[in-house]
Amino acid sequence: ILNVEQSPQSLHVQEGDSTNFTCSFPSSNFYALHWYRWETAKSPEALFVMTLNGDEKKKGRISATLNTKEGYSYLYIKGSQPEDSATYLCAFGDKIIFGKGTRLHILP
Amino acid sequence: DSGVTQTPKHLITATGQRVTLRCSPRSGDLSVYWYQQSLDQGLQFLIQYYNGEERAKGNILERFSAQQFPDLHSELNLSSLELGDSALYFCASSVVGGGYQETQYFGPGTRLLVL
Repeated sequence: ILNVEQSPQSLHVQEGDSTNFTCSFPSSNFYALHWYRWETAKSPEALFVMTLNGDEKKKGRISATLNTKEGYSYLYIKGSQPEDSATYLCAFGDKIIFGKGTRLHILP
Repeated sequence: DSGVTQTPKHLITATGQRVTLRCSPRSGDLSVYWYQQSLDQGLQFLIQYYNGEERAKGNILERFSAQQFPDLHSELNLSSLELGDSALYFCASSVVGGGYQETQYFGPGTRLLVL
């Protein structure tokens, strides 16, 4: 059974601070890694699709990196804002295995 | 608004019953994915259809089935419902579905409650 781990489970960050969290996945037979942002009472919103080792993608203040050889991806948020409060999910592989998410709370 | 629509928004039914959830993908998208979000299991991939054909299967129970019609809308059929089937069911679509490498756009979900 493929295991996709996200850490930390929950994170409280002061508004204006930068933060990052991790998605770990099996390093063999890599296919793709997806990052989603999921706000309460809404549906998941795609952030990035990462396919190549060393990929770095950026969308505004949010960026992600990928290391397929060691099996991890980092999501970075620069200068956190209240609207960044959400659960961030990663999903791995052709079987689309989701991690349990990192719940981010931005403190005013 | 992602452009993916799902109906109904909410559904309450009894154990043993059968329900059908409907999804219309974004205009031009050929691939539809179904997911289940339950409290204890997190978000799980159920099944993918591409242009009317089943493309990939995840953790879909035998009591569940899906299909994609010529107009590309999809239906997820859940039968012999059990209490544990209570969950939020999402549909997502992508352009081609060659696919896990493509951005997926999620619908608003259907919340199913089995009593």
